[in-house]
Amino acid sequence: EVQLVESGGGLVKPGSSLKLSCVASGFTFSSYGMHWIRQAPKKGLEWIALIYYDSSNKYYADSVKGRFTISRDNSKNTLYLEMNSLRSEDTAMYYCAKGTNWDYWGQGVMVTVSS
Amino acid sequence: DIMMTQSPLSVAVTPGESASISCRSSKSLLHSNGITYLSWYLQRPEKSPQLLIYQISNLASGVSDRFSGSGSGTDFTLKISKVETEDVGIYYCVQFLEVPLTFGSGTKLEIK
Repeated sequence: EVQLVESGGGLVKPGSSLKLSCVASGFTFSSYGMHWIRQAPKKGLEWIALIYYDSSNKYYADSVKGRFTISRDNSKNTLYLEMNSLRSEDTAMYYCAKGTNWDYWGQGVMVTVSS
Repeated sequence: DIMMTQSPLSVAVTPGESASISCRSSKSLLHSNGITYLSWYLQRPEKSPQLLIYQISNLASGVSDRFSGSGSGTDFTLKISKVETEDVGIYYCVQFLEVPLTFGSGTKLEIK
């Protein structure tokens, strides 16, 4: 059974940093690109980052470019999102999603940026 | 960036009836490889989104065949036949042609 389990969220102050993790199981993690997608409270979905299966390419939404870094450790079946210089507008539920079609999503992890 | 426009914003459907949701992209989603990169997702209340349809009309594994997708180029439609109470939620279209990947604003389906 495919599972994606995010962790690392919480309440932080503006300007702080946070690192999210997404542990994958039930499929060959090293064969798939992975994405981070977020959803601000009561808002729609926003794609924020993509990493290729072998980390050879990474892409970001303009809203996070230069502040967020996507990475992965295929030996640990884990996807990461390092978030720096956090702003109130980064407050959202963060989801990891598998592959080209996002056929599996995690349950999400909440990040709240507030003073 | 490719803009995705969904309509209607919300729809209320009697169980057993059909519903259609439209999605329009600001640029053709047809890739040079012949694949059109348009997918549909349902986000049930308090749940993670789930894949319904990919590449316009391919039904995701485990998804009811009451869901179907159609369209081409820049105009796409999701049809839900014989709506059931479990279909309640917000439906999103997404383009996978190019980054940044972009979503429609969502269509909320409610039961009458």
